[in-house]
Amino acid sequence: GAVVSQHPSRVICKSGTSVKIECRSLDFQATTMFWYRQFPKQSLMLMATSNEGSKATYEQGVEKDKFLINHASLTLSTLTVTSAHPEDSSFYICSARDLTGSNEKLFFGSGTQLSVL
Amino acid sequence: KQEVTQIPAALSVPEGENLVLNCSFTDSAIYNLQWFRQDPGKGLTSLLLIQSSQREQTSGRLNASLDKSSGRSTLYIAASQPGDSATYLCAVFNNNDMRFGAGTRLTVKP
Repeated sequence: GAVVSQHPSRVICKSGTSVKIECRSLDFQATTMFWYRQFPKQSLMLMATSNEGSKATYEQGVEKDKFLINHASLTLSTLTVTSAHPEDSSFYICSARDLTGSNEKLFFGSGTQLSVL
Repeated sequence: KQEVTQIPAALSVPEGENLVLNCSFTDSAIYNLQWFRQDPGKGLTSLLLIQSSQREQTSGRLNASLDKSSGRSTLYIAASQPGDSATYLCAVFNNNDMRFGAGTRLTVKP
């Protein structure tokens, strides 16, 4: 089945540094990828929709200058948390949209646990 | 390794019916379980979040239950409407790992 690889699975960084998270679709082309985050004891929430070759669409309340999304190829989207602060500590997960076949499917990465000290 | 299974894969019902979607997971050591709705071309919309210490959550016509010991959750939709047509996914979260089911594609016919 289709696989989405997300890396790294866990990262600990100092406040003020930037962290890049990669999301790759391994055996299908994903024109659209989604980025989510989940704060402790809260629901997973959509952050942004990433379309290959164009600017990402951010959900209300998500700072586009802080969470840089690049979807330069059909198999790779990256999320960069710039100048991370402790309040950015969260679980981040991506999903990729697979349009092959008769029904659209979403496949998910395994997530990245970010801890900002 | 946690595995999440959703049954049925697809479901078609007439408008007004009550229905139940099922989600099972193999590892009961979870922090929470969530139910989502996915519409074509869109990201997930969170419907209900059940913490590991809770047994159920309700929101409007939706009720989700959680039985950790048996590794099961159900999403009950009352008085279904055509607008409920979507794919419904469940996901279990354990600290730094989230696993999704493959989803149930629901069609509610007018």
